[in-house]
Amino acid sequence: ILNVEQSPQSLHVQEGDSTNFTCSFPSSNFYALHWYRWETAKSPEALFVMTLNGDEKKKGRISATLNTKEGYSYLYIKGSQPEDSATYLCAWDNAGNMLTFGGGTRLMVKP
Amino acid sequence: DVKVTQSSRYLVKRTGEKVFLECVQDMDHENMFWYRQDPGLGLRLIYFSYDVKMKEKGDIPEGYSVSREKKERFSLILESASTNQTSMYLCASIRHRVGGEKLFFGSGTQLSVL
Repeated sequence: ILNVEQSPQSLHVQEGDSTNFTCSFPSSNFYALHWYRWETAKSPEALFVMTLNGDEKKKGRISATLNTKEGYSYLYIKGSQPEDSATYLCAWDNAGNMLTFGGGTRLMVKP
Repeated sequence: DVKVTQSSRYLVKRTGEKVFLECVQDMDHENMFWYRQDPGLGLRLIYFSYDVKMKEKGDIPEGYSVSREKKERFSLILESASTNQTSMYLCASIRHRVGGEKLFFGSGTQLSVL
């Protein structure tokens, strides 16, 4: 049973639009929440690893927030560009580092 | 640049064949993982290894085995490939299995079993 959920499953936006998607996870036994970006034909790469409730991390136009009490994280992309097209994966880390991944959100940015 | 390399990007095999997927990392990481990715299901852990010759089953080990004879290399073996093993396979590694460390991934092997 997959208890890390990502929504939406896929998303089409126009270049320049800002967008966000959600990862929900168990709030018990929480240690960290990971976000990875997986571009076609490339390796998934870590965007953020977040541990603290209320934490917000930023990398260029991409930012993420974390709510460990209610078990969700948001990933925001400001002014989407075609190169942002990728699958975004979140993973719940319970400190054994046996990550449980969500199903991913596939983002397509149209020029 | 640190690297996790998977030997094949695409692989087509026939039902019943024995299939080897190879993964090599150059970061001296202790821990290596094999996942499979199917649409809508997320990455599911097949096997992992925390040291040479050590292995542990993940969530979906049935139909697979692994080999870790050297620290840098972790092989996934499909003893008798079946069509339901058609999938994207990802290898990953991490130095220490403590919380909060990010995984390093290979670029994946898309396996089709006909």
